Amino acid sequence: QKEVEQDPGPLSVPEGAIVSLNCTYSNSAFQYFMWYRQYSRKGPELLMYTYSSGNKEDGRFTAQVDKSSKYISLFIRDSQPSDSATYLCAMSEGDFQKLVFGTGTRLLVSP
Amino acid sequence: DAGITQSPRYKITETGRQVTLMCHQTWSHSYMFWYRQDLGHGLRLIYYSAAADITDKGEVPDGYVVSRSKTENFPLTLESATRSQTSVYFCGTTEGNEQFFGPGTRLTVL
Repeated sequence: QKEVEQDPGPLSVPEGAIVSLNCTYSNSAFQYFMWYRQYSRKGPELLMYTYSSGNKEDGRFTAQVDKSSKYISLFIRDSQPSDSATYLCAMSEGDFQKLVFGTGTRLLVSP
Repeated sequence: DAGITQSPRYKITETGRQVTLMCHQTWSHSYMFWYRQDLGHGLRLIYYSAAADITDKGEVPDGYVVSRSKTENFPLTLESATRSQTSVYFCGTTEGNEQFFGPGTRLTVL
């Protein structure tokens, strides 16, 4: 079993929809939780970063962490075609040199 | 303002050959890393470096060698390439809690 599990998708939604992306994990020592966005043929870029449990909002994006369930989520409101990308969750015990990534979920937002 | 550059962007080589992938940062971030990205596995850490002349193994270091004689460069060498090393390789830097990735090198080993 992988330390971090993520549904690979693809997830197809119409423009304007609310998107929910999720990861589960098994290592209770993870404290830092990140979401990266990766466009085709590009490197990942950091989208959201959360420490421990709770919510964090940034514009149309909301990250949620539930450490009791070992479950993290990324919500995208009013999704746009430009949001079409692969979304990777990543986690760390505290050493940011050693991130553990999920396999990524491919999101397709159609106009 | 390139940030992180990788070269070559695409490489085809044969089994048994030595291949070096280059990584250069225009900043002066201390930490640098190499990941490989494969379908079904996501990103896996190969090696990382805390500073010049300081390197450490990640999750999948076998078959790879790194060096870091200068802060801005972190080359990755496949000493004798195998088909299982066909992958997309990303290098980058870490600053605070954020990792910055380069554009990647797509390597095919025939």
